[in-house]
Amino acid sequence: GAGVSQSPSNKVTEKGKDVELRCDPISGHTALYWYRQSLGQGLEFLIYFQGNSAPDKSGLPSDRFSAERTGGSVSTLTIQRTQQEDSAVYLCASSQRDRGRSTIYFGEGSWLTVV
Amino acid sequence: AQSVTQLGSHVSVSEGALVLLRCNYSSSVPPYLFWYVQYPNQGLQLLLKYTTGATLVKGINGFEAEFKKSETSFHLTKPSAHMSDAAEYFCAVSDEAGGTSYGKLTFGQGTILTVHP
Repeated sequence: GAGVSQSPSNKVTEKGKDVELRCDPISGHTALYWYRQSLGQGLEFLIYFQGNSAPDKSGLPSDRFSAERTGGSVSTLTIQRTQQEDSAVYLCASSQRDRGRSTIYFGEGSWLTVV
Repeated sequence: AQSVTQLGSHVSVSEGALVLLRCNYSSSVPPYLFWYVQYPNQGLQLLLKYTTGATLVKGINGFEAEFKKSETSFHLTKPSAHMSDAAEYFCAVSDEAGGTSYGKLTFGQGTILTVHP
């Protein structure tokens, strides 16, 4: 597709279960970012991938959160043992490269509800 | 570390009136500044960005913003509001010049713009 694609668009899960959220960046984009949008915290940076470099994980809120990017393209954000405070919209974004002239494009997000 | 403050969580204007959404930033290095718009149940769409050069930046849908270093501001304006402008607007800063990732954005809390007839 032409834009950043995320799946699922909506996910309801029980507390304590693991969830996986998928992101397909725009073809050819080497930089990929995950953000979280919640009522209490607003928009927060989670993790960033650039090419084959080690990811910047500085925004991950706990060790229950992890992400990987396979083949420099698709990324999966995994939340283990979900808690109610994990309920949020998880936004993925990509850019052609991690430079000031690049535009960062966001997907429509995956809405996670933990019950 | 950088930070962004958006003054006013809600702004209401009449159709045809001036839109002014305020954003102040804090950064230890020259920042990159962005305005994004979010329509209900959609992702973020870039309106405009300032990286270097001209301090008055024009974006999509008739919006523009001016980078004022002395005031550490990057306010968003539009001369005449349309009903279709109703959305939530986010100001963001990137600290790439400080050595962090360009796309590691710090966002303001957002301003919901309501446009009434």
